Amino acid sequence: NAGVTQTPKFQVLKTGQSMTLQCAQDMNHEYMSWYRQDPGMGLRLIHYSVGAGITDQGEVPNGYNVSRSTTEDFPLRLLSAAPSQTSVYFCASSPGRTRTRETQYFGPGTRLLVL
Amino acid sequence: AQTVTQSQPEMSVQEAETVTLSCTYDTSESDYYLFWYKQPPSRQMILVIRQEAYKQQNATENRFSVNFQKAAKSFSLKISDSQLGDAAMYFCAYRSADSGTYKYIFGTGTRLKVLA
Repeated sequence: NAGVTQTPKFQVLKTGQSMTLQCAQDMNHEYMSWYRQDPGMGLRLIHYSVGAGITDQGEVPNGYNVSRSTTEDFPLRLLSAAPSQTSVYFCASSPGRTRTRETQYFGPGTRLLVL
Repeated sequence: AQTVTQSQPEMSVQEAETVTLSCTYDTSESDYYLFWYKQPPSRQMILVIRQEAYKQQNATENRFSVNFQKAAKSFSLKISDSQLGDAAMYFCAYRSADSGTYKYIFGTGTRLKVLA
């Protein structure tokens, strides 16, 4: 049981390049989220999903796309990278509707540097 | 919209002593969850403790306990017998219990230093 996995761990991009950050969970969780963490700002929600085929925007969605074709995977796409997207990105999942188990489990993070 | 505020950017505590980290939140909802997460230098986010708003009793997990004051919208974390391994960033988080809502709101964090 690997929990939540993210790849890559670290990536350098040039302005204008695109890339996909991968996230997978093997806990059969319904809910998944993407956050970015910047110094002094905590974690800010980018996009989230409450099940396969269902996604919605969070607090800072501009410049990012997501899709959820399977329960396990929730990739985050940067369409045209900008220096303002330099950050640490976290993927998280939670069981969903089971109230007593409501907790988010986080991946190890991806550090992204956009030059 | 809900907000979470951590007004202490940094705290220090002597090893074996007790420290309390503050968190306040704003919401118009009556049913929600509150969490404290720990982020050590490895960057891994680790759940420390969770509290359900409808429960009167304060949650405890070993050396970690909370003081949940629903009317005051306050959710502080007390760490007893502090250890060097407790040094980390601590984030307070809120989530509505509405099953149609899945948005966690995080505070900006408190960096805890533990002095030997």
